[in-house]
Amino acid sequence: GENVEQHPSTLSVQEGDSAVIKCTYSDSASNYFPWYKQELGKRPQLIIDIRSNVGEKKDQRIAVTLNKTAKHFSLHITETQPEDSAVYFCAASIKAAGNKLTFGGGTRVLVKP
Amino acid sequence: DTGVSQDPRHKITKRGQNVTFRCDPISEHNRLYWYRQTLGQGPEFLTYFQNEAQLEKSRLLSDRFSAERPKGSFSTLEIQRTEQGDSAMYLCASSLGSGVVFGPGTRLTVL
Repeated sequence: GENVEQHPSTLSVQEGDSAVIKCTYSDSASNYFPWYKQELGKRPQLIIDIRSNVGEKKDQRIAVTLNKTAKHFSLHITETQPEDSAVYFCAASIKAAGNKLTFGGGTRVLVKP
Repeated sequence: DTGVSQDPRHKITKRGQNVTFRCDPISEHNRLYWYRQTLGQGPEFLTYFQNEAQLEKSRLLSDRFSAERPKGSFSTLEIQRTEQGDSAMYLCASSLGSGVVFGPGTRLTVL
């Protein structure tokens, strides 16, 4: 089955700096890659996603890139703010197989004011 | 409320007891998923339904676990003879296309 690895496990950045989180996946059939943000005690919330026919997608301060050949994808957060502090999870799925998500282990991001 | 809802939000039970959780998905979503999340880990897939049909079950779902979605709307997850290792957050999610929306979860503590 699919295996998703995520790095780093923790990331501390100064407010205003950029944060980058990287994930790799194992199943070349995976074609949908969402990112979730989870604050303490809250549900995971979808913040951005990318499909395998797209190499990059941007939404305000958040961008995701995908390298299908290397089977890795990354989340970029620019101009970080204290409210970006949370745990971020990447995931991979095969849309035609029920879109069952396999998650990475998570990255705890701390933005220091 | 147009989001995914779950009930109860918290459940404390003694080892060996049975528990049942309910999930109400977003009404137009045809897929419903159950995940389990332990502290410091990402959610792990348990099972999913398309309408009322249960299409896949993870090997994590032992025979003590059963899930139903009888009319293709709400779903229940039952755990029989609970064990301390069952303590976790049980997340329900739903989707229509690609965007999977999670509920707030039911936190289970088995004493």
